[in-house]
Amino acid sequence: EVQLVESGGGLVQPGGSLRLSCVGSGFTFSDYWMTWVRQAPGKGLEWVASVYQDGSEKYYVDSVKGRFTISRDNAKNSLYLQMSSLRAEETAVYYCARGLDKYQHFDYWGQGTPVTVSS
Amino acid sequence: DIVMTQSPDSLAVSLGERATINCKSSQSLLYSSNNKNYLAWYQQKPGQPPKLLIYWASTRESGVPDRFSGGGSGTDFTLTISSLQAEDVAVYYCQQYYSTLPITFGQGTRLEIK
Repeated sequence: EVQLVESGGGLVQPGGSLRLSCVGSGFTFSDYWMTWVRQAPGKGLEWVASVYQDGSEKYYVDSVKGRFTISRDNAKNSLYLQMSSLRAEETAVYYCARGLDKYQHFDYWGQGTPVTVSS
Repeated sequence: DIVMTQSPDSLAVSLGERATINCKSSQSLLYSSNNKNYLAWYQQKPGQPPKLLIYWASTRESGVPDRFSGGGSGTDFTLTISSLQAEDVAVYYCQQYYSTLPITFGQGTRLEIK
C-alpha cells in the first residue's frame, strides 16, 4: 500500500524557519517526482515546489523562491521542505504528493502537516 | 501562469440526480504532440487530503466509481457525477499540468445535497 506521511509542522513566529519531512512507503520512491502542495485554512490548493527523481531538478512557485528549499534522500525514502523567512500568509496545511513527471497529476497525497505562522 | 476558473462555486443537487462542475483554463491544455489534455480532477472531503478522480481530462483513476466522468478539451472541461450519492459531498478541484510551471488549481466547487 502506498503511503506518504508528513511531519515537522507546528507553530513558528513570522520570520522563522521550519523543516518539513515526508516519508514514502509501498512504492519505489526514486521513480517519482515529489511535490509539496499547501492549503491555507478554508482556501484552495497551491503548488509550492517539485523535485526530480534524483534531486537534480527543483522548481518553486515564485512567492517562495529564495526562502524555501525542496530536497530528497532516496536512501531514506524521504522528501523535505526547508522553509525560512516564513510569513503569516503561509499558514497552511502542507501536503506531499507524488507524480510520474514534472507535468503530471498527483495520484497519492499524504495526510498533511499543519504550519502556523504567528507571533 | 495558467488561470483555472471553476463554476459554480457551490452546487446543491438531490440524491440520485446529476451534478456537473465546470472548469475553464486561460489557455489550451491540449498538447498537440500526444493529443492529451493536461487536466485532472480531485475530490476533497473535510479533514482529508485531495483524492485523484480523473486525469488526462477523462481517464478515471483506478477504484473511482463509474458515476464519475470527465469531459471536454482545450480550455473547457466538465466533471459529471451521474447519480449523486451521499458520500460524494465534498469540494472538487480541477488542476492543470500543461507543460509550463506553476501547476495551478481551480478555486474549488463545494457540492452539497439538496
